[in-house]
Amino acid sequence: GALVYQYPRRTICKSGTSMRMECQAVGFQATSVAWYRQSPQKTFELIALSTVNSAIKYEQNFTQEKFPISHPNLSFSSMTVLNAYLEDRGLYLCGARGRHNNQAPLFGEGTRLSVL
Amino acid sequence: AQSVTQPDARVTVSEGASLQLRCKYSYSATPYLFWYVQYPRQGLQLLLKYYSGDPVVQGVNGFEAEFSKSNSSFHLRKASVHWSDSAVYFCAVSMDNYAQGLTFGLGTRVSVFP
Repeated sequence: GALVYQYPRRTICKSGTSMRMECQAVGFQATSVAWYRQSPQKTFELIALSTVNSAIKYEQNFTQEKFPISHPNLSFSSMTVLNAYLEDRGLYLCGARGRHNNQAPLFGEGTRLSVL
Repeated sequence: AQSVTQPDARVTVSEGASLQLRCKYSYSATPYLFWYVQYPRQGLQLLLKYYSGDPVVQGVNGFEAEFSKSNSSFHLRKASVHWSDSAVYFCAVSMDNYAQGLTFGLGTRVSVFP
């Protein structure tokens, strides 16, 4: 079956340092990958969407300078949180879609980021 | 821009009772609609989706949802809940099924008591 794996599941970083998280699609080709953040007690905010053969599109309040994303092939994506501070803590989810029109986005278990 | 409203932040039901979770969206056309569930300390799992056709869609674990274009709604239902249905449920919309991300509602926390 189709699955999305994210790692690490949990991570802690010191304030001002950076942290990289990864997302892997298994059993399907991830032609688009979206990264979301769920801050404590909040819903999921779209950070950016990466589609094969298109530029990565960042949502308002999120920038490439802060959240650089790599989507080098149809099974892998990574995102880094640069210069992390307390407001960056939360659950980061990767949602991947395949090329078939009726496929809903599949999500990984997420990477939970704590900032000290 | 599209938006999603889930008016109930928390719902408490007894095991075996029916459940309805409300979702309304704001968008000029018919969006692609989804319900996801988040169990404690986990990511999101897809319950069901609506793209077109029959407005009542069946999902996993006995869940179903009904799309209403006139009401701009996509309510989720389950006839008889189990304690394991305790979780947070998110309604989400997308403008298309490929090149856009999802817009989520704030979620409804469901607590099922024996």
